[in-house]
Amino acid sequence: GENVEQHPSTLSVQEGDSAVIKCTYSDSASNYFPWYKQELGKRPQLIIDIRSNVGEKKDQRIAVTLNKTAKHFSLHITETQPEDSAVYFCAAPGGGADGLTFGKGTHLIIQP
Amino acid sequence: DTEVTQTPKHLVMGMTNKKSLKCEQHMGHRAMYWYKQKAKKPPELMFVYSYEKLSINESVPSRFSPECPNSSLLNLHLHALQPEDSALYLCASSQGVFINEQFFGPGTRLTVL
Repeated sequence: GENVEQHPSTLSVQEGDSAVIKCTYSDSASNYFPWYKQELGKRPQLIIDIRSNVGEKKDQRIAVTLNKTAKHFSLHITETQPEDSAVYFCAAPGGGADGLTFGKGTHLIIQP
Repeated sequence: DTEVTQTPKHLVMGMTNKKSLKCEQHMGHRAMYWYKQKAKKPPELMFVYSYEKLSINESVPSRFSPECPNSSLLNLHLHALQPEDSALYLCASSQGVFINEQFFGPGTRLTVL
């Protein structure tokens, strides 16, 4: 099955700075890589995703990059704001393309 | 309707009780999922239904029994649970199982006494 590693587990940045979270996956057949944001007590919310035929995708202050050769993908958040504070999860479906396997999560803290 | 809904929001049950969790979506999605999330951990996949058929059972104990009565509804029947089963149970849906966004419901917070 798929194995997803995520780093760091905690990331503290100053408001306005950038944050980068990295994930690696094991199954070379995986072809879809979503990122979810989960605030305390709430559901995971899909914030951006990337498919294997694309190397980078941007949506305003959020971007995701994918390196299929190295089997890693990263989330980039620029101009961080207090409302970006949350736990972020990367995920991958594995070759079976069924349910998602999640990374362990990154607790992002935005310092005022 | 672009949401996945789940009931109840909270559930407290004893180890001898039988209860059910319900999930509903009206987005025309044909794949539905149950995940379990313990505190400070990622969601873990339990079951996948594709076109109302169970396609994945991630070695979940038989005290958890899923059911998909139709394409909009997903149930999780609970019986003889253990205190370690206390967790947030999340339902999700997607258009299909292949390369599709999964949308999560708000979850049911389950406490087993």
